[in-house]
Amino acid sequence: QVQLKESGPGLVKPSETLSLTCTVSGFSLTSYHVSWVRQPPGKGLEWMGVIWGDGSTAYNSALKSRLSISRDTSKSQVFLKMSSLKTEDTATYYCARDHDGYTLNWFAYWGQGTLVTVSS
Amino acid sequence: DVVMTQTPPSLSVAIGQSVSISCKSSQSLVYSDGKTYLHWLLQSSGRSPKRLIYQVSNLDSGVPDRFSGTGSQKDFTLKISRVEAKDLGVYYCAQTTHFPPTFGGGTKLELK
Repeated sequence: QVQLKESGPGLVKPSETLSLTCTVSGFSLTSYHVSWVRQPPGKGLEWMGVIWGDGSTAYNSALKSRLSISRDTSKSQVFLKMSSLKTEDTATYYCARDHDGYTLNWFAYWGQGTLVTVSS
Repeated sequence: DVVMTQTPPSLSVAIGQSVSISCKSSQSLVYSDGKTYLHWLLQSSGRSPKRLIYQVSNLDSGVPDRFSGTGSQKDFTLKISRVEAKDLGVYYCAQTTHFPPTFGGGTKLELK
């Protein structure tokens, strides 16, 4: 059974760095890719970046200078780090897996999301 | 980036009615492999998004056949027949043909 679960601090101060973890089960991170997607309160979805099965990464150009995605395959965990946080980064952050590991059928499985509030 | 435009932004429906949601992209979504990577997701209130349809018209496992997707190139439609209460929420289209993946702004389906 495929499962993803995000975790991290609920509150972060402006200018600080956000660190989130996506813990997965039911599949291997070396066979599927995992994206991070965020959603500001009451707004739509924004794709942030992806870590592929081979460990390479790609980012949304709007966030690229602040964003880093990595993983620990032994712990089945994917990490997101985003620096220089602003109040506009307040959002629910989701991790999501693709469908089959080799097509462009993304966003097949989602975590429950974790709300991050950026405030002093 | 590919812009995905959904209409209408909101819909009021009575249980048992049928509705359609439109999604238009700023570029053709046909990939070099000939397939079209346009997907539909539903986000029920307070929940994470759930994918319903992938590649325009393929239903994800467990999705009732009251849902159907059609379209090609830049113009796509999601149809829900015989709406049930559990169908209410915000529907998003998403494209993964072009990098970066992008989402439509959403269509909120509410009870009339």
